[in-house]
Amino acid sequence: EPEVTQTPSHQVTQMGQEVILRCVPISNHLYFYWYRQILGQKVEFLVSFYNNEISEKSEIFDDQFSVERPDGSNFTLKIRSTKLEDSAMYFCAGKGYGYTFGSGTRLTVV
Amino acid sequence: AQSVTQPDIHITVSEGASLELRCNYSYGATPYLFWYVQSPGQGLQLLLKYFSGDTLVQGIKGFEAEFKRSQSSFNLRKPSVHWSDAAEYFCAVGAGGYSSASKIIFGSGTRLSIRP
Repeated sequence: EPEVTQTPSHQVTQMGQEVILRCVPISNHLYFYWYRQILGQKVEFLVSFYNNEISEKSEIFDDQFSVERPDGSNFTLKIRSTKLEDSAMYFCAGKGYGYTFGSGTRLTVV
Repeated sequence: AQSVTQPDIHITVSEGASLELRCNYSYGATPYLFWYVQSPGQGLQLLLKYFSGDTLVQGIKGFEAEFKRSQSSFNLRKPSVHWSDAAEYFCAVGAGGYSSASKIIFGSGTRLSIRP
C-alpha cells in the first residue's frame, strides 16, 4: 500500500534556528496537510495545501511557519526561528479518497 | 462548528474484559469517521474508518466501531482486550471523496490502560 514518507524521523535544533521538515506524499493525492502533536496532547491541524496554495490554516500557523511543494513531489514545512514550544511531533498527511498520514518527525528544540 | 468529543480521558479495563470508547462528532457534511491508535512516541495507526454502507465496521486488531447518525456517535469496541492494547486512541472526522479538501479533525484522545 502506498505510504507517505517523512524525513527526518527525529530532529534536534537550537532555539532560533530554522528547520525544514520534509514529506513525500502519495503521487495521486491532491490535498496535503501538516499537523502537530505536542507531547501528551491532541493532534492539531496546522495547514492544508492544494494546487500550490494554502487552502486553510489554523491560528497556530503564524508567520514563523511556511509550506511549499517545490518540485511537485516533496511537501515541506519550514519553521523560520524555532521556539522551545515548537517541540512536538509533526505529521504530514495527504488526501485522495481518504487520508494517509506519515509516521511523523519528532522535533526537539533545545 | 466541526468538532470531535471523546468524553473519557482515561479508561482502565482488566485484561480479557470488553471495551467501549466513546466518540461524538459535529460535522456539517457527510462525515468520514476514523479511529487511530498511538503508542507512546509513535505515529498514528489507522484502526478503522467509515464513510458509507454498513454502519458496523470492522478494523484491525479485533476492533469494531458502530456509526449512529441519530446520536452523532462512532464508538469503538473490542470484545476482549489484551495487554498490548494499552495506548492512546483518537477518534477523528473528515470528508471523504476526491473533491473535498476538508481537513481531518481529531478528538482529544482516550488513554487506555490494561489491568493485569
